[in-house]
Amino acid sequence: AQSVAQPEDQVNVAEGNPLTVKCTYSVSGNPYLFWYVQYPNRGLQFLLKYITGDNLVKGSYGFEAEFNKSQTSFHLKKPSALVSDSALYFCAVRAGNFNKFYFGSGTKLNVKP
Amino acid sequence: EADIYQTPRYLVIGTGKKITLECSQTMGHDKMYWYQQDPGMELHLIHYSYGVNSTEKGDLSSESTVSRIRTEHFPLTLESARPSHTSQYLCASTDSSIGGYTFGSGTRLTVV
Repeated sequence: AQSVAQPEDQVNVAEGNPLTVKCTYSVSGNPYLFWYVQYPNRGLQFLLKYITGDNLVKGSYGFEAEFNKSQTSFHLKKPSALVSDSALYFCAVRAGNFNKFYFGSGTKLNVKP
Repeated sequence: EADIYQTPRYLVIGTGKKITLECSQTMGHDKMYWYQQDPGMELHLIHYSYGVNSTEKGDLSSESTVSRIRTEHFPLTLESARPSHTSQYLCASTDSSIGGYTFGSGTRLTVV
């Protein structure tokens, strides 16, 4: 069965510090992995994706993610957090017949000034 | 600018009313989806469509119905709204390749 896990409901970090939002997945076949961000009362916005190639993927707003096949992980990272990064983050995988996405449960990121 | 549009953005409606949430995309995507999301919570797939005249129920049981008569249009209808339908409804689309979803801004529905 395909699944995505975000083990942390909430991540708290001080502004200027590095941040990591964790994601692990379980899929059959090659995974296509995505990160989305959601601000209050809005839809989800695409941040970045891993399809193939370099394991370190760079995306919007200074975010990056590292694909680790052996650990089946796709953690989202940013070297220096901003207060404006505070939002809900979703990891997703497109797998199987590629017609459906499987979303994690979301991680709320709080960046304190 | 978003290429997928949802209207209305906010809706407050009385119990028992019939409502239709609109979703349109201009990207020519064949696959479209409806998700239900309570504030700050996970997404639940309620309906999806792989093309014109194709609709399927999602993982979460829903009393709503959908139609797909045109590629660009995927409306969701509640025949008789109830307070338990209060939620945010997100529409998304994707093409047949390996790209990601594009999401609309959502409709926040309140049934009183």
